[in-house]
Amino acid sequence: AQSVTQPDIHITVSEGASLELRCNYSYGATPYLFWYVQSPGQGLQLLLKYFSGDTLVQGIKGFEAEFKRSQSSFNLRKPSVHWSDAAEYFCAVGADSGYSTLTFGKGTMLLVSP
Amino acid sequence: KAGVTQTPRYLIKTRGQQVTLSCSPISGHRSVSWYQQTPGQGLQFLFEYFSETQRNKGNFPGRFSGRQFSNSRSEMNVSTLELGDSALYLCASSYTAGMGEKLFFGSGTQLSVL
Repeated sequence: AQSVTQPDIHITVSEGASLELRCNYSYGATPYLFWYVQSPGQGLQLLLKYFSGDTLVQGIKGFEAEFKRSQSSFNLRKPSVHWSDAAEYFCAVGADSGYSTLTFGKGTMLLVSP
Repeated sequence: KAGVTQTPRYLIKTRGQQVTLSCSPISGHRSVSWYQQTPGQGLQFLFEYFSETQRNKGNFPGRFSGRQFSNSRSEMNVSTLELGDSALYLCASSYTAGMGEKLFFGSGTQLSVL
């Protein structure tokens, strides 16, 4: 069965600084990988997705993620964080059942300091 | 195009009662998935429906059930509520139910069991 680990529960970044959120996955085949963001009291919004092809994936809101098969990682990055980026970020892997079911990590809460 | 709509937004029940949550997917989407989100367990998959058929089910007790109607609207039901059922229940829709499909999430129903 697949699993996702997000080792950082909380991260604080100064506004304007760069950001990297870590994600490690466990999956037997080529994974579908996703990053979602959740603002307080809201549902999840897809930032980006990887299945195949270029290992550097561009997403919305200036985010990007890099798939590294050798490290089983799919880290999320942003060169300059804005205060509005404060939210919880979830990494997810597509199920190996062939369905659209996702297995999520526990999430990383991003705090942005002025 | 309207997003995924979940009703009610908040719900308070007592132990032993049952509850029904509703989800209206994005127009044209035929797949609906349900997830439970708690601070301790994070996001956990409940079940997925496509064209009125349950295609996949998570590791939850039989007290949790769902269904999908011909117009793709879905309901989930929890019987004999327990305190541990307090959670944010998220519904997600997608056009199909294939692997890697992009999920669109609603804002969720916050269930509190007293």
